[in-house]
Amino acid sequence: NAGVTQTPKFQVLKTGQSMTLQCAQDMNHEYMSWYRQDPGMGLRLIHYSVGAGITDQGEVPNGYNVSRSTTEDFPLRLLSAAPSQTSVYFCASRRNRDSGNTIYFGEGSWLTVV
Amino acid sequence: DAKTTQPTSMDCAEGRAANLPCNHSTISGNEYVYWYRQIHSQGPQYIIHGLKNNETNEMASLIITEDRKSSTLILPHATLRDTAVYYCIVSLDNYGQNFVFGPGTRLSVLP
Repeated sequence: NAGVTQTPKFQVLKTGQSMTLQCAQDMNHEYMSWYRQDPGMGLRLIHYSVGAGITDQGEVPNGYNVSRSTTEDFPLRLLSAAPSQTSVYFCASRRNRDSGNTIYFGEGSWLTVV
Repeated sequence: DAKTTQPTSMDCAEGRAANLPCNHSTISGNEYVYWYRQIHSQGPQYIIHGLKNNETNEMASLIITEDRKSSTLILPHATLRDTAVYYCIVSLDNYGQNFVFGPGTRLSVLP
């Protein structure tokens, strides 16, 4: 049981490049989400999904796209990287919407845009 | 809106109990109290959660007041490895799906 797995762990991009951060969970969780965390700040929600085929925007969605073609995978795409997107990105999953269910986080993907 | 209030920072001597308070005066009846911690920008780590009763696991104890307006996370014997930012979370966001993380409490365990 690997939990929530994110790749890559580190990435450097040039401004204007695009890339995809991968996220996979093996717990058959319905809910998955992406957060970003800037230095000294809390986590902010980018996009989330309540199940395969369903996605929605969070607090800071601009510049990012997501899709959820399977229960297991929830990739985050940066369309045209900007220096403001330099951050640590965390993927998370949760069994379902019941309030007693814990959220599990991946180890993070460190992205630098130069 | 995180709906929680935590001290910005706290110190604790190694080997002593660390008591981290959290105020959540607007908590609703079906909202759980969750605690997570984050070490050196690693992924947030789940510690414990509860609804009404006090809870204990291998990592910590959670004490929730009877009116549920505040809680305390207790690390019974703090070690240097417990130095981290601790987040108290009681609410889902406006989308009803995801936790709202406030700034948390930076706990420094001192030798």
